[in-house]
Amino acid sequence: DAGITQSPRHKVTETGTPVTLRCHQTENHRYMYWYRQDPGHGLRLIHYSYGVKDTDKGEVSDGYSVSRSKTEDFLLTLESATSSQTSVYFCAVERENTGELFFGEGSRLTVL
Amino acid sequence: QQPVQSPQAVILREGEDAVINCSSSKALYSVHWYRQKHGEAPVFLMILLKGGEQMRHEKISASFNEKKQQSSLYLTASQLSYSGTYFCGTDTGTASKLTFGTGTRLQVTL
Repeated sequence: DAGITQSPRHKVTETGTPVTLRCHQTENHRYMYWYRQDPGHGLRLIHYSYGVKDTDKGEVSDGYSVSRSKTEDFLLTLESATSSQTSVYFCAVERENTGELFFGEGSRLTVL
Repeated sequence: QQPVQSPQAVILREGEDAVINCSSSKALYSVHWYRQKHGEAPVFLMILLKGGEQMRHEKISASFNEKKQQSSLYLTASQLSYSGTYFCGTDTGTASKLTFGTGTRLQVTL
């Protein structure tokens, strides 16, 4: 499973509150990703990182920010959660020599 | 822009074959295939690279037509364990990251 853990696994929050999701990996992968998954849309890339303090936007980055201060941790922050951000969020790491992605177990976020 | 997968859903009896297609409007460097079971994370099946060979994972194989920007996933003699949603991910190779299709839901029944 590439040693990926996501926390929290489930969270219910109210509109306007800040939320931070954490992705932790134990295998020193350089590339890390945050995707969201919604019915009818598949997996959509929010942000990704290619090293400590090196991040870039994906296709649905509005309303999200990320930080990576250590190789093992990639944080996704919703500064002010909205109902449209209710989703399942997956973190992934990339095995560089093959391009294969390993996904975490997902974090289900509900914004009321 | 997301690649287009077809069909959106398919129901098979155990032992039957199926083909899932993935089509992009952009020139592709590689195509990835993943399978996701209900309530679980997506799991990698295989990567097809531009100029590479057809790949195989157990009784699942895939092809990549670079000229048409299309990939097909072939499931032979399907098993109950093949049930799930299959996603293709496309990479244009220009420092971009994978863009996933919306998925094909496959159900294998007895």
